[in-house]
Amino acid sequence: RKEVEQDPGPFNVPEGATVAFNCTYSNSASQSFFWYRQDCRKEPKLLMSVYSSGNEDGRFTAQLNRASQYISLLIRDSKLSDSATYLCVVNFNKFYFGSGTKLNVKP
Amino acid sequence: NAGVMQNPRHLVRRRGQEARLRCSPMKGHSHVYWYRQLPEEGLKFMVYLQKENIIDESGMPKERFSAEFPKEGPSILRIQQVVRGDSAAYFCASSPPSRGTEAFFGQGTRLTVV
Repeated sequence: RKEVEQDPGPFNVPEGATVAFNCTYSNSASQSFFWYRQDCRKEPKLLMSVYSSGNEDGRFTAQLNRASQYISLLIRDSKLSDSATYLCVVNFNKFYFGSGTKLNVKP
Repeated sequence: NAGVMQNPRHLVRRRGQEARLRCSPMKGHSHVYWYRQLPEEGLKFMVYLQKENIIDESGMPKERFSAEFPKEGPSILRIQQVVRGDSAAYFCASSPPSRGTEAFFGQGTRLTVV
């Protein structure tokens, strides 16, 4: 079983839509959690950390469910510029990356 | 504070040559990670190093690949006798010693083996 699993997508949504990505992780002792964004042929960049209490940054909301070992990312009012691959990342002694979920926001 | 610096950005090697990829972590970061990414695929972990120590090399191919992070200077990923299948983007990331903080990525080195 992979340490971090994500639906690869692609998710094709119109501008203004709300879209949610999910991610599961296998190690219950994982210590920290993140969402990264990767644009085509570029390096991954941190989108947001994920905290147990849930956290929001503008149009983006991240949730963590430790009991179910599940992380989510919600994007509201999607923009064309949100088109990218979103990587779920879990840290247990080292960083484990999911294979990413591709989002295409269409006009 | 400069970010993670990788060089070269692009590297072309003929089959059988050696490739050396360099990564200078962010200031204050003592942990370095190397990842490989093939086109249209996810990041694959290769190796995790701290200064002068290899912590986890479970993702490194058994032959031809090696990595180091010396006390002074950048981390080096070395690929000997390159083959076409080594063509990929190689990303380096660094993080500070404290737990819970994110990793920062360099812009990557795109290796093409011809």
